[in-house]
Parts: sequence; C-alpha cells; structure tokens
Amino acid sequence: DTAVSQTPKYLVTQMGNDKSIKCEQNLGHDTMYWYKQDSKKFLKIMFSYNNKELIINETVPNRFSPKSPDKAHLNLHINSLELGDSAVYFCASSQDTLAGGPYEQYFGPGTRLTVT
Amino acid sequence: AQSVAQPEDQVNVAEGNPLTVKCTYSVSGNPYLFWYVQYPNRGLQFLLKYITGDNLVKGSYGFEAEFNKSQTSFHLKKPSALVSDSALYFCAVRDSYSGGYNKLIFGAGTRLAVHP
Repeated sequence: DTAVSQTPKYLVTQMGNDKSIKCEQNLGHDTMYWYKQDSKKFLKIMFSYNNKELIINETVPNRFSPKSPDKAHLNLHINSLELGDSAVYFCASSQDTLAGGPYEQYFGPGTRLTVT
Repeated sequence: AQSVAQPEDQVNVAEGNPLTVKCTYSVSGNPYLFWYVQYPNRGLQFLLKYITGDNLVKGSYGFEAEFNKSQTSFHLKKPSALVSDSALYFCAVRDSYSGGYNKLIFGAGTRLAVHP
C-alpha cells in the first residue's frame, strides 16, 4: 500500500547509456513531479505534470524527457547519461494545485543513479 | 529573486531540550511555506505548512512552526527533542511566479542531531 513508489531504487550505469526511472502513485493525485537531489542534498524541481499535461519544465538538459501515460504514472527517461547526472531522483505527487491549495507533496523513496 | 535560506548546516541539541531550526524566505506576495523532513535513504516527508491565519502552525510528530512576516521567517520548533528526530530538515516556499502551480523552492537543508 505504498503511496508513491519508484523503480528501480538503485541504478548504476555507464556514460552514454540511456535509462528510465518509473514512478507510480496510488493516492488519486492529479499532479506529479520529478526532483533531483545532488550530493550536497540540494533539492531542485525538474518537471511537473498535471493530469498528464506538462506544467513545470525547469532548465534541464533535453536529454531528460518525462512521460506521463496517465495521471498515476510519471516516468523519466535519460539519454546519453553523463557523470554529472549522478544524483538521487525523487518522484512526488500532490492534489491538483489549481483546485485550491497549495497542497503538500508526497515523495517517493528515491532512485539513486550512479553514472560511471 | 525568490529564495529560502536555512542559515545553519547543522543543529545539535540534547534529548529533552527544545529545538529550533531556522528558515528565512524571500518571495513576492503572500508566502506559502512548508517544512519537510528527510530520514537517511528515504524520501521527504511533509511536516507542516503555512498558508494563512494563525502564525503558529502545528504539524506532525509534535513539531510546530512560527510564521513571522516582519522578519520573513518560518522557524521550526519542538518543545522536547527526541533522538529519533535526528534527520535532515528542509524549508520550502512556493514560487509565486509559478502561475498557481505548486513549484517549491527548497532551502539547502539543516541537519538536526539530537544527542542522548
């Protein structure tokens, strides 16, 4: 009965590879997010989707492409991985921010990506 | 520029003593403020939020936060610290230029260490 789940938990890969991280929430939320937490624990939003529509798109290399097949899922695909992509990536969800709020976000356990 | 500052990298407190984790913010318009906690190798967990109303906000696990508009602060407090409170604490403010979307700007985090 995990609220926000991510797979995989750990991902070790070589430079130049392409990888995906999957996220699912069973909270019935309309909005989902991807965050990057670097080695100094600094947390920054990358993308957000509301009802499968991209609403927040921060300055992120276009090697990163989010996809939301339905409002319970938000995946992150990364092409041509670089050393600097090593970080922990968190998925989160919240109620529809345009229907009141602001609402708190519920975070997944994170995916630790290591690029060698 | 909108920002959140957590001036202390680490706060040390003895178990049973009161604790304060400091946060100041800079944002246009009315601030919407949040506190989250991150335990090792876990995602962030919501503690409390300030939207409007009483300046003292009560949250999870006995935590509370005091909103002070004149000092642009939102300090997290607890009357009696527990060893299990040891974790990384993040203050966040909603970006007032995000068009109503829940784009959060996070502080750098403060590590709380509670000693027996």
